[in-house]
Amino acid sequence: EAGVAQSPRYKIIEKRQSVAFWCNPISGHATLYWYQQILGQGPKLLIQFQNNGVVDDSQLPKDRFSAERLKGVDSTLKIQPAKLEDSAVYLCASSRVDTQYFGPGTRLTVL
Amino acid sequence: EDKVVQSPLSLVVHEGDTVTLNCSYEVTNFRSLLWYKQEKKAPTFLFMLTSSGIEKKSGRLSSILDKKELSSILNITATQTGDSAIYLCAGAPGSNTGKLIFGQGTTLQVKP
Repeated sequence: EAGVAQSPRYKIIEKRQSVAFWCNPISGHATLYWYQQILGQGPKLLIQFQNNGVVDDSQLPKDRFSAERLKGVDSTLKIQPAKLEDSAVYLCASSRVDTQYFGPGTRLTVL
Repeated sequence: EDKVVQSPLSLVVHEGDTVTLNCSYEVTNFRSLLWYKQEKKAPTFLFMLTSSGIEKKSGRLSSILDKKELSSILNITATQTGDSAIYLCAGAPGSNTGKLIFGQGTTLQVKP
């Protein structure tokens, strides 16, 4: 069974630029999650989708972050404009029931 | 506010030692507690503990859930250098199926 796929693996941008991340979940997993993990901290949930609907986006900074999962499969997370404090690893995870399986993540550096 | 706290934050041991990692949780309508191992970037699933399954074991790793103390421990016996990683504990609230509240992680370094 293929795992969660993410791209790109690394991204370096300057502040105020925009960036987008892509995630393809494990086949058949209805629930998809985006997390932000700042160095030295645990992952923080940004947004949770069930199929193509949003279940929880309470911690998503909506003035600059957006996410979509239009066809209920893959998803994109966008940051526009980026700030220095957005430097982090962005993890995508998917689940069928309770256990979440994570992708390799995208390391974002904002200069 | 839901919260998960892990201790210690970091730990250095030598191969062959036994380690115990701690996790305490305050999670609304607690449903389950999960342990993950994070090497490089992607966390990989280790165990899920629930009210009906409070003890899990896999090889040298084992975990116990203490529902009264709202805590869990992860034990690793006969540690190896390959056990070096960040160990994450996460609580699952009952209000949202799937949502996880992560602790800050324990960084384990196993020296040869």
